[in-house]
Amino acid sequence: SQWGEENLQALSIQEGEDVTMNCSYKTYTTVVHWYRQDSGRGPALIILIRSNEREKRSGRLRATLDTSSQSSSLSITAAQCEDTAVYFCATDNTNKVVFGTGTRLQVLP
Amino acid sequence: NAGVIQTPRHKVTGKGQEATLWCEPISGHSAVFWYRQTIVQGLEFLTYFRNQAPIDDSGMPKERFSAQMPNQSHSTLKIQSTQPQDSAVYLCASSFGGAIWEQYFGPGTRLTVL
Repeated sequence: SQWGEENLQALSIQEGEDVTMNCSYKTYTTVVHWYRQDSGRGPALIILIRSNEREKRSGRLRATLDTSSQSSSLSITAAQCEDTAVYFCATDNTNKVVFGTGTRLQVLP
Repeated sequence: NAGVIQTPRHKVTGKGQEATLWCEPISGHSAVFWYRQTIVQGLEFLTYFRNQAPIDDSGMPKERFSAQMPNQSHSTLKIQSTQPQDSAVYLCASSFGGAIWEQYFGPGTRLTVL
């Protein structure tokens, strides 16, 4: 899982497999954002889950949030090669968004 | 909508030189954020403007770094006396209505200090 001083995590899966990435956070937040970053580009928001939601779906993406354990997960169903990217979770902290260390996902054909 | 525009995309400076990075937010967005991204430190928040006013600069190194937003269409990040450890990708993001979520990022400026 990603956060804090942890190094960038890396996952490699085959096309068609399901994958789950985990994230834990240290301080109270009202929302967890998940961003993806493609090589040479800035991060892009892909799903946002609020503290009053336990699960949020968007296409093949599913985010969960457990405020009691301060953790979130992002699952991708039937991953495609184009899902290859770095995925970040992020939380709100007063006036700024704090990003996790990221998970590098590689989907192989 | 061209998205957030950052120029230049790549900049190489010599140690001790000044570097100015430019950001044009999405039209109509009232918040601008600056981040620095490195392999070691990841994505680090630097500073945040809302309606051109500085709101939070807690991530800015106290010396040599400064940011301005002279008008709603652009912001600049200036690094004086650049050092090799300043080498990074500098990312600018904007959001509608000043919200800190749903940020739209530019492609970044890769700064290399020799």
